[in-house]
Amino acid sequence: GESVGLHLPTLSVQEGDNSIINCAYSNSASDYFIWYKQESGKGPQFIIDIRSNMDKRQGQRVTVLLNKTVKHLSLQIAATQPGDSAVYFCAENTGTASKLTFGTGTRLQVTL
Amino acid sequence: GAVVSQHPSRVICKSGTSVKIECRSLDFQATTMFWYRQFPKQSLMLMATSNEGSKATYEQGVEKDKFLINHASLTLSTLTVTSAHPEDSSFYICSARADSWQYFGPGTRLTVL
Repeated sequence: GESVGLHLPTLSVQEGDNSIINCAYSNSASDYFIWYKQESGKGPQFIIDIRSNMDKRQGQRVTVLLNKTVKHLSLQIAATQPGDSAVYFCAENTGTASKLTFGTGTRLQVTL
Repeated sequence: GAVVSQHPSRVICKSGTSVKIECRSLDFQATTMFWYRQFPKQSLMLMATSNEGSKATYEQGVEKDKFLINHASLTLSTLTVTSAHPEDSSFYICSARADSWQYFGPGTRLTVL
């Protein structure tokens, strides 16, 4: 999602549907990417990662796709559940001392 | 495994006072820890990289004399916000690096009155 001032972009999905959250990263030299889930008032929680030599990686109910040509990352959540409601951030490793640069975030709202 | 704790979880202080936030890796050693700041509805912004036994490396625009970082042991890094002002009110999050992974703490909510 694109950042719009101080308002997080929001994705609303119905319970049971699939969710796709997008992220555009900035550094073409980044070689490692991570998706995090952050619930209100808590720290980021690791979901899934992918290295730049891959274009797809699957976890349990989640899939990350990487398109290096357009510097785009997406997170797909299958059969979205109410517990998936949170803010999702992508992060890229700049390659220097494992520093992470976080994207702007997308709020996922799961409706019943 | 790989649990990171922060203390306190929330703190309210008066303007002009200093506040210390602790970040601990509970079941692993971390030569490198990171401190982030997150304002409401915004992303995490890296403030500094804390290295055990050496000076922290601050990101551009972060005042090192205002945000004092000490990484005295392999399991503890502290961030002290000196002479805090209302604009320092934020959610401060640390992470500890183990191998190529970063493990995040639960965050500390700082409110400066």
